[in-house]
Amino acid sequence: AQSVTQLGSHVSVSEGALVLLRCNYSSSVPPYLFWYVQYPNQGLQLLLKYTSAATLVKGINGFEAEFKKSETSFHLTKPSAHMSDAAEYFCAVRHGSSNTGKLIFGQGTTLQVKP
Amino acid sequence: EAGVAQSPRYKIIEKRQSVAFWCNPISGHATLYWYQQILGQGPKLLIQFQNNGVVDDSQLPKDRFSAERLKGVDSTLKIQPAKLEDSAVYLCASSLEGGLTYEQYFGPGTRLTVT
Repeated sequence: AQSVTQLGSHVSVSEGALVLLRCNYSSSVPPYLFWYVQYPNQGLQLLLKYTSAATLVKGINGFEAEFKKSETSFHLTKPSAHMSDAAEYFCAVRHGSSNTGKLIFGQGTTLQVKP
Repeated sequence: EAGVAQSPRYKIIEKRQSVAFWCNPISGHATLYWYQQILGQGPKLLIQFQNNGVVDDSQLPKDRFSAERLKGVDSTLKIQPAKLEDSAVYLCASSLEGGLTYEQYFGPGTRLTVT
């Protein structure tokens, strides 16, 4: 069965500091991995995705993530945090076949950015 | 392009009452998903439709939850009767097709409070 684990339910950084949100996955097949962001009272927005091409994936708003098969990790990073990055972040693995593709989400990590 | 629309945005009901949520996916999207997001957790898939057929409803509590997508466009999710543990945000998402490579677009969600 596929699953994801996000390490740390809350992460707090200062504005301008490095953002690192951790995600480890479990999958018996090559995974499709995603990071989503959720702002208060809004739906989920896709930040970036890994679909077995380049292992370093660049997304929107300056975020990127690196797929490391040996560590079964897909950590999300941003070199310099901005106040507007404060939100909840979800790592997800896509499970299914050619015509089904449900997302299996981690528990989420709340990012706080301090001025 | 209009996004995924959901209504109502908020709903408060008493336990044992009934409630219905509505979703209008992005035009032309064949696949529609309903997710349940309990506070402090990641979203969990309840049901996936491909056009007006059910692809996956393995985690739908069928004794109280029902969903339909009669004309392959709009969808309704119903809970009858509601329990306290149904308090959650119900997210609707749609994608062009259901396969692993197709991005899911999320609506803003309906926040349900059961008292």
